Amino acid sequence: DVKVTQSSRYLVKRTGEKVFLECVQDMDHENMFWYRQDPGLGLRLIYFSYDVKMKEKGDIPEGYSVSREKKERFSLILESASTNQTSMYLCASSLVAGRPSGANVLTFGAGSRLTVL
Amino acid sequence: DAKTTQPNSMESNEEEPVHLPCNHSTISGTDYIHWYRQLPSQGPEYVIHGLTSNVNNRMASLAIAEDRKSSTLILHRATLRDAAVYYCILWGNAGNMLTFGGGTRLMVKP
Repeated sequence: DVKVTQSSRYLVKRTGEKVFLECVQDMDHENMFWYRQDPGLGLRLIYFSYDVKMKEKGDIPEGYSVSREKKERFSLILESASTNQTSMYLCASSLVAGRPSGANVLTFGAGSRLTVL
Repeated sequence: DAKTTQPNSMESNEEEPVHLPCNHSTISGTDYIHWYRQLPSQGPEYVIHGLTSNVNNRMASLAIAEDRKSSTLILHRATLRDAAVYYCILWGNAGNMLTFGGGTRLMVKP
């Protein structure tokens, strides 16, 4: 089974701190995604990456950046955390391997709950 | 990406079948229909997906309307462990801007 591992389940940070959320997948997936989940708003896409060093903005990229230096690792960076970034962050990956996008399956990590004080 | 519409919540009795509906009237010809579910305090997990034909796997069945404007996720015998939020999403070839709406919260009564 594919595993998507998020480095921290729970984090508490202070306003203005730089925050790194790490995500690692172990099955050579090409695509990786970062979502945030808030009550009543569903999952919203922040960024996704379709290859090493490649990234695309999602629906809500403001206040976030990402890094994908290696295929298996996709990092979400909050340059200066703010209280409105308190949320559940979910990482996901999908294989691709020459198939149509929708023929793939998303595998999610367990989530990282970030609280910014 | 086309959007989906699902009821906010549904209730079922344990060991009875559950039919979770999803409307996607603006679906395009290359959009796959995916279902995921999210158990409390966990990330979403894949349930099933399909393009045109009905699909079965060990978790569930997916019934796709002939015009593809709606689909139904079928849990054949609901258990308490099936209580979760179920998301229906469309994933097309245009890219990876996947939209997850609010989903359907399924409650299973013993």
